[in-house]
Amino acid sequence: NAGVTQTPKFQVLKTGQSMTLQCAQDMNHEYMSWYRQDPGMGLRLIHYSVGAGITDQGEVPNGYNVSRSTTEDFPLRLLSAAPSQTSVYFCASSYGAGNEQFFGPGTRLTVL
Amino acid sequence: GIQVEQSPPDLILQEGANSTLRCNFSDSVNNLQWFHQNPWGQLINLFYIPSGTKQNGRLSATTVATERYSLLYISSSQTTDSGVYFCALAPFGNEKLTFGTGTRLTIIP
Repeated sequence: NAGVTQTPKFQVLKTGQSMTLQCAQDMNHEYMSWYRQDPGMGLRLIHYSVGAGITDQGEVPNGYNVSRSTTEDFPLRLLSAAPSQTSVYFCASSYGAGNEQFFGPGTRLTVL
Repeated sequence: GIQVEQSPPDLILQEGANSTLRCNFSDSVNNLQWFHQNPWGQLINLFYIPSGTKQNGRLSATTVATERYSLLYISSSQTTDSGVYFCALAPFGNEKLTFGTGTRLTIIP
């Protein structure tokens, strides 16, 4: 079991560029989510999915897009990167409501 | 939404000391987890503990759901315990975890 994997580990973008952060899990978890962590703060929820084909917004969704075509994968798209999106991004998964969530290693994104 | 408060915000201890970290929350929960974020940024699952008491080596945790708080105990601290400890929880019927702002623990040799 690889658990939750994220790629890339590091990324530098220029303002206005787009990119996709990848997240995959091999635990057959229905629930997947994306968080961002800014310096000195806890994690904040961006988007989440309760199963393939179903996504919803979290606390800070603006500027991000998601889709869930398979159970395993949950990519996060930055449509037009802004310096305010400089952060560390974590993907998580679980069996569903009330179950333990497991986190990936994170992607450190810098937008210049 | 649900409110999560962690205390203390910072804690500096000598190696070998014991510590208690607290997490207060504002609503009933069906998921409560404690994480350790190490200096490299990795989030490590410590406990999944929506209620009751669990122990894992030098660490233990207790959640009193009726009084809306959870405690994380670290005994005989080691320098590798340094980092930030987060409490995160979700109310009933909701998968979305809300994180506290963390307790930064520094263990001095």
